[in-house]
Amino acid sequence: GESVGLHLPTLSVQEGDNSIINCAYSNSASDYFIWYKQESGKGPQFIIDIRSNMDKRQGQRVTVLLNKTVKHLSLQIAATQPGDSAVYFCAENLGGGADGLTFGKGTHLIIQP
Amino acid sequence: NAGVMQNPRHLVRRRGQEARLRCSPMKGHSHVYWYRQLPEEGLKFMVYLQKENIIDESGMPKERFSAEFPKEGPSILRIQQVVRGDSAAYFCASSTYESYTFGSGTRLTVV
Repeated sequence: GESVGLHLPTLSVQEGDNSIINCAYSNSASDYFIWYKQESGKGPQFIIDIRSNMDKRQGQRVTVLLNKTVKHLSLQIAATQPGDSAVYFCAENLGGGADGLTFGKGTHLIIQP
Repeated sequence: NAGVMQNPRHLVRRRGQEARLRCSPMKGHSHVYWYRQLPEEGLKFMVYLQKENIIDESGMPKERFSAEFPKEGPSILRIQQVVRGDSAAYFCASSTYESYTFGSGTRLTVV
């Protein structure tokens, strides 16, 4: 994941619009990636995951895209709702379940009414 | 299934005291991970344990911090002689193969 900074990037979107949150990862050996949503005062909540042998995976209102060439991950949220307001983190894992996750710096998504 | 349970939710300690954070993994999960989160930052990996074994403690500070996951009972993260810089949210996650579930965290404040 990205090195951690002191200030979270912020993305502000209108309710009903689509959101795209980006993440760059650093370890080309990582083979499993997860997006988490974290609301204030709560723990990270799993949204969607993708393995390195895929480049796209869709869930309910969410899509994750993986570009291994440039080591880039994105999360697309369709028709954003007020409840989508949170901090979103990408995380990578080298695989095999033996290592902890490495988290990116996070993006604060704000939904404007 | 109650999920990953962490307690206490909030913990206040004076400088020099000990902090003990507890984590009960999800039923059927035998892997426990501890992470620390400073304000406005992502989670940083600290330690990975299985029952009675520390598998990876590469993220643990070398002094004052220790973790255990006994055969019976919750996993414990212990911080001795706490300092103000230890103030953070500490999250526990449990997993089967690549399926991580996080607890709600313990927010430690050192005064």
